[in-house]
Amino acid sequence: GQNIDQPTEMTATEGAIVQINCTYQTSGFNGLFWYQQHAGEAPTFLSYNVLDGLEEKGRFSSFLSRSKGYSYLLLKELQMKDSASYLCAVRDGGFQKLVFGTGTRLLVSP
Amino acid sequence: DAGVTQSPTHLIKTRGQQVTLRCSPKSGHDTVSWYQQALGQGPQFIFQYYEEEERQRGNFPDRFSGHQFPNYSSELNVNALLLGDSALYLCASSRIRDDEKLFFGSGTQLSVL
Repeated sequence: GQNIDQPTEMTATEGAIVQINCTYQTSGFNGLFWYQQHAGEAPTFLSYNVLDGLEEKGRFSSFLSRSKGYSYLLLKELQMKDSASYLCAVRDGGFQKLVFGTGTRLLVSP
Repeated sequence: DAGVTQSPTHLIKTRGQQVTLRCSPKSGHDTVSWYQQALGQGPQFIFQYYEEEERQRGNFPDRFSGHQFPNYSSELNVNALLLGDSALYLCASSRIRDDEKLFFGSGTQLSVL
């Protein structure tokens, strides 16, 4: 079956670092995505990992371990605008079929 | 350069009715997929269209159908609406040869009463 787990909610303070974990068990694996979604808006692409290791992109980094079925998204120097839901998704096979977790709601406080 | 555009933004229907949602992909994109996102949940894959054909389908009943036009735009049709069909319907597009970059539209919020 398909199962993607991530924490429901996290809180952090402005300027801090937060790590959002994602574990997955899927029948196929062809890459892992992280998306940010503000309430009422479209999910926006943050990162894509297909090989093990760390991908860094500005304040955001994403890590993947395929053998452990594990990924994390690291957000540094948190800003108030980072308050949003963060969605972990695994591409199952080819094309655009992504299997999403339920999302982690991050609240950044002053 | 317009991104993925969807219409309408909001829609209210009653049980048993039929609905059509529309999507225009980002310029240069040829592949479109549809997702259903219930409140507080992650999006769920409905189906994907490429070259005007349905290529992959998720676990959705036949009441959900779609179409892709020669200009790559797409429609999602839902027949015999149920209360449980109330959700945000998201369209996503990409180029078939560059499909790790999947762009989403802002969605259509469907309420079934």
